[in-house]
Amino acid sequence: EAGVAQSPRYKIIEKRQSVAFWCNPISGHATLYWYQQILGQGPKLLIQFQNNGVVDDSQLPKDRFSAERLKGVDSTLKIQPAKLEDSAVYLCASSFIGASQFFGPGTRLTVL
Amino acid sequence: KQEVTQIPAALSVPEGENLVLNCSFTDSAIYNLQWFRQDPGKGLTSLLLIQSSQREQTSGRLNASLDKSSGRSTLYIAASQPGDSATYLCAVDYNAGNMLTFGGGTRLMVKP
Repeated sequence: EAGVAQSPRYKIIEKRQSVAFWCNPISGHATLYWYQQILGQGPKLLIQFQNNGVVDDSQLPKDRFSAERLKGVDSTLKIQPAKLEDSAVYLCASSFIGASQFFGPGTRLTVL
Repeated sequence: KQEVTQIPAALSVPEGENLVLNCSFTDSAIYNLQWFRQDPGKGLTSLLLIQSSQREQTSGRLNASLDKSSGRSTLYIAASQPGDSATYLCAVDYNAGNMLTFGGGTRLMVKP
């Protein structure tokens, strides 16, 4: 069974630039999650989708972050404009509804 | 505010030792608690999941316990091996919505 795929694996940008991350969940998983993991900390949930609807985005900084899952499968997370404090690993996870989450390898973002 | 704390932040032990990792949470009204393992540059792998009605779960050399009344969970690793070296994360689901609140993790190094 293929796991959660994420791209790119690494990204370096200047502050105030834009960046987008892509996630392809495990086939059949209705629920998709985006987490932000700052170095030395645990992951923080940014947004949770069920199919193509948002379940929770209370911790998503909506002035600069946006996410979509238009067809209920793949998802993109965008940051515009990026700040230095956005440097982190962005993890995508997926699950069947109410079941254990499977995580992708993450995208490491460095903002200079 | 619902918080999850892990102590210690880092731990180094010689191979063969039995060890205990600690996790505490501020709100005892949890739905379940999970322990994850994270290897450098990789996503998270679920190790054990304890439902709120359970006291412990075991998998191989790993045993996780849950004491809701005291707001604590422990992960016991028996006969540690160098391959156990990783960061161990504790995560709590407070509302059955599968929205996890993570602790900061314990970085474990097992020396040969």
